[in-house]
Amino acid sequence: EAQVTQNPRYLITVTGKKLTVTCSQNMNHEYMSWYRQDPGLGLRQIYYSMNVEVTDKGDVPEGYKVSRKEKRNFPLILESPSPNQTSLYFCASGGAGGGYTFGSGTRLTVV
Amino acid sequence: GQNIDQPTEMTATEGAIVQINCTYQTSGFNGLFWYQQHAGEAPTFLSYNVLDGLEEKGRFSSFLSRSKGYSYLLLKELQMKDSASYLCAVTLDNTDKLIFGTGTRLQVFP
Repeated sequence: EAQVTQNPRYLITVTGKKLTVTCSQNMNHEYMSWYRQDPGLGLRQIYYSMNVEVTDKGDVPEGYKVSRKEKRNFPLILESPSPNQTSLYFCASGGAGGGYTFGSGTRLTVV
Repeated sequence: GQNIDQPTEMTATEGAIVQINCTYQTSGFNGLFWYQQHAGEAPTFLSYNVLDGLEEKGRFSSFLSRSKGYSYLLLKELQMKDSASYLCAVTLDNTDKLIFGTGTRLQVFP
């Protein structure tokens, strides 16, 4: 089954404790992206990757890092999380021709 | 900059027809997506328009006018399960970068 797998689904952490949210796709897509979704602000792009070892900043990259060492994986890293990074996060992969598939989301709370 | 506008909220009655509009001003344009998102869940694909005109898919149709920077999503025979947010998103020239509007929350009443 074609899918994008995100983990964990829910995470509560404390300020400053490094964390990683994983994202994996099994569709051999070159393009992958991370979004955060906050009430009233919609989906805002954090980082995206057009291919292995190619990553670019989206609209709200501050406080986040990503890596794309292999095509299927695109982890999101928060080196020192802060409460303003409390949000719902989505990973997506795909391309315009075939559409974009989203992971099931990660609800992160930073206290 | 990139700007994608949609109404924030809409309401409609079960069985009715509703049209959700989206206007965009972007530096380059490749195509336009509509996604449905139920609260707390992942967005799911509804439609993709590249060329001008109407694309029909069951109860849902999507229209695009590239010259006007305008699209709409038409939902017919509304059902209670159609209560959700509807997201308009644009891909830019020669890239796969996907940019979203803030979404339209649709509430369907009996």
